[in-house]
Amino acid sequence: KNQVEQSPQSLIILEGKNCTLQCNYTVSPFSNLRWYKQDTGRGPVSLTIMTFSENTKSNGRYTATLDADTKQSSLHITASQLSDSASYICVVSALTGGGNKLTFGTGTQLKVEL
Amino acid sequence: EAGVTQFPSHSVIEKGQTVTLRCDPISGHDNLYWYRRVMGKEIKFLLHFVKESKQDESGMPNNRFLAERTGGTYSTLKVQPAELEDSGVYFCASSQVEGPYEQYFGPGTRLTVT
Repeated sequence: KNQVEQSPQSLIILEGKNCTLQCNYTVSPFSNLRWYKQDTGRGPVSLTIMTFSENTKSNGRYTATLDADTKQSSLHITASQLSDSASYICVVSALTGGGNKLTFGTGTQLKVEL
Repeated sequence: EAGVTQFPSHSVIEKGQTVTLRCDPISGHDNLYWYRRVMGKEIKFLLHFVKESKQDESGMPNNRFLAERTGGTYSTLKVQPAELEDSGVYFCASSQVEGPYEQYFGPGTRLTVT
């Protein structure tokens, strides 16, 4: 069964601090791994997408890593801002004919405080 | 470029009633996906259209759910008759057939069945 597990479930940090979110997965056949940011009341928005051969990808203050051997990924947020408060969802894609089938984690709820 | 839009944003219906959710994908996106998040759980795949054809409907929970995409443009998801456990947020996403299969999500429709 395809599964994606994330930790921690929730996290509170002070503005300006860094944090790292974790993701473990068992999805086959693996196509790519994505990190999404979901603000309250909005749909998920893609931050990074990594294929099997990529082990790191950055998008501004967000840096994702992927270890395809251990099936682990992390999302590092640098110099956090209040607007980073959101749910961060790890999503692993299995390649099917004509598109990608996504398996979602339950997300890490991040709150950035003053 | 307009994003994925969904209507309505929120629907409250009684058990046994019928509800139809609509999704308008990004223009030119042949792939259209429906997902659902029930309270406290992860987002789960429901089904996938390529143009007007159902590519994968393995995530549809039962025959009370009917999805259509006439003409390969917008899609509707009908729930008939609705049950209490159908409550949740229904997301639609779209992607191009070619390329990195990036999926763009709509804001979701929150369905409450009372």
